[in-house]
Amino acid sequence: DAKTTQPNSMESNEEEPVHLPCNHSTISGTDYIHWYRQLPSQGPEYVIHGLTSNVNNRMASLAIAEDRKSSTLILHRATLRDAAVYYCILRDVGTYKYIFGTGTRLKVLA
Amino acid sequence: ETGVTQSPTHLIKTRGQQVTLRCSSQSGHNTVSWYQQALGQGPQFIFQYYREEENGRGNFPPRFSGLQFPNYSSELNVNALELDDSALYLCASSPSAGALEYGYTFGSGTRLTVV
Repeated sequence: DAKTTQPNSMESNEEEPVHLPCNHSTISGTDYIHWYRQLPSQGPEYVIHGLTSNVNNRMASLAIAEDRKSSTLILHRATLRDAAVYYCILRDVGTYKYIFGTGTRLKVLA
Repeated sequence: ETGVTQSPTHLIKTRGQQVTLRCSSQSGHNTVSWYQQALGQGPQFIFQYYREEENGRGNFPPRFSGLQFPNYSSELNVNALELDDSALYLCASSPSAGALEYGYTFGSGTRLTVV
């Protein structure tokens, strides 16, 4: 199973953009990149996913490197409600499971 | 649309006992996965059910078992509870087992404490 590497923690000021990096140097051609976040006392929440092209939705943007060995989740304007653990996960077309790491704990400062 | 609901929210059991956790999947979702999350760790995949059949399993012993019902709700059963089984148990549902264009909707989990 391909693995991802994320910083343990990051801080951001409220109303500023946040770039959360993820390295996945062993990614295969059929791995999708998924991002989830987990707020305190809740289950993980789907944020965004992509394969090769950059993706945007109402929550965030996902920028994928050309060689696909890294990606960045972009929160355009961080709010206090965005404080959570963010997980970057690779999911292969042949498997159904997510392999979660320990994620990045994002702290948003008022 | 309703999300994924899990019951109970908290549970305390004694070592050696058996426990059943329940999950109602989101409307329209036919796939349910179960995860175990120890304190400070990311969730670990236990197994997945698609249309009442188990179609994927993680590295968990056979005393972890499950069921999915015709309405796509699901149960997780754990026999012979051990202290290390203390964790948050998460249920997640999806519209389709293998389609990668969908994410999963997670419930808020059941916090199991084994004493």
